[in-house]
Amino acid sequence: EAQVTQNPRYLITVTGKKLTVTCSQNMNHEYMSWYRQDPGLGLRQIYYSMNVEVTDKGDVPEGYKVSRKEKRNFPLILESPSPNQTSLYFCASSLSSGLSYGYTFGSGTRLTVV
Amino acid sequence: SQKIEQNSEALNIQEGKTATLTCNYTNYSPAYLQWYRQDPGRGPVFLLLIRENEKEKRKERLKVTFDTTLKQSLFHITASQPADSATYLCALLDTGRRALTFGSGTRLQVQP
Repeated sequence: EAQVTQNPRYLITVTGKKLTVTCSQNMNHEYMSWYRQDPGLGLRQIYYSMNVEVTDKGDVPEGYKVSRKEKRNFPLILESPSPNQTSLYFCASSLSSGLSYGYTFGSGTRLTVV
Repeated sequence: SQKIEQNSEALNIQEGKTATLTCNYTNYSPAYLQWYRQDPGRGPVFLLLIRENEKEKRKERLKVTFDTTLKQSLFHITASQPADSATYLCALLDTGRRALTFGSGTRLQVQP
């Protein structure tokens, strides 16, 4: 089944403890992206990647890192999480960086930083 | 600044009626526009993409129009069903960043 898989689905952590949210897609998509979704603010892009080793900042990149060493994986790293990073996170992929195809989204990761 | 506006108030309609949702945008010159459905706590699901040279696109009970002069897209669900209840998001491509920017969505509630 074609899908984007995120792990974990739920995570509670403490301020300052480094964490990684994994994202993997099995569709050979070039383009991958991370969004966070907060009430009243909608979906905001954190980082995106147009292909392997090509990443760039989105609207809200502060406090996050990403890497794209393989086409299928695009992990999101929080080096020192803070409570304002408590949010619902989505990974998405698309066939081409031209984005003339729809995104396929993962099921989401609900992160709470205390 | 660029802005995508969707009606933040929920739309309540009766089963069997046509639901019409609006997406307005400013300071974009989009090559295309996309619509997604999102259920609570789940990832958005892609529904339709319409290009700037297409006035209308249909998929089963869904219809999307795109008016680049009015800077508006309308999303219609005909013969609506309670299972259509969800939040519907429109999205535009920011060509500068190669990223989709999403509206905040409109929640549709279809009453049986």
